[in-house]
Amino acid sequence: DAKTTQPPSMDCAEGRAANLPCNHSTISGNEYVYWYRQIHSQGPQYIIHGLKNNETNEMASLIITEDRKSSTLILPHATLRDTAVYYCIVTTGGGNKLTFGTGTQLKVEL
Amino acid sequence: EPEVTQTPSHQVTQMGQEVILRCVPISNHLYFYWYRQILGQKVEFLVSFYNNEISEKSEIFDDQFSVERPDGSNFTLKIRSTKLEDSAMYFCASSVTPGLARYTQYFGPGTRLTVL
Repeated sequence: DAKTTQPPSMDCAEGRAANLPCNHSTISGNEYVYWYRQIHSQGPQYIIHGLKNNETNEMASLIITEDRKSSTLILPHATLRDTAVYYCIVTTGGGNKLTFGTGTQLKVEL
Repeated sequence: EPEVTQTPSHQVTQMGQEVILRCVPISNHLYFYWYRQILGQKVEFLVSFYNNEISEKSEIFDDQFSVERPDGSNFTLKIRSTKLEDSAMYFCASSVTPGLARYTQYFGPGTRLTVL
């Protein structure tokens, strides 16, 4: 699976959009970009994933660049409960393992 | 919404004892996984299980570890003789809804294993 690079930490004001970047310059054509988050020591929570097109669900939006070498997770109106470590993971999916990096610690503040 | 469940939430054991961690994956999923996270470290893959056999395992998953799907609902991780360094959060996950091309892995809340 391709390796990803994320900033170690970010801050965001409550109510503002949180934009979390991820670089995956070695991504292959059949690899998806997945985003998970982990609040404290809870189990990783799935947020969103995409292959080429931008995606949106009730939690977030995922913007993937045209060359697919980077992506941005957008939490449109961050709340204190969005404080977590966010992981960007590239994988072919199916039954393959997920390889977690160190992620981005997002801190949402008043 | 269906979810992965794990029991117990916290297990304390003495070094050298056997422990079994239990998981109930999402009911129609085909792949099952165990991951672990030592305090302050990354989430690490241990093993994946498909069609009643191990499909992939990491270097961590040595002879002290085993997995089993004893019935149609449970998925277990056994550690035969626990070591201090086995203390960690253990997460179960499941994925792949047959016929729907849905590959997302969903994780349980974890079991905190403390080896004394």
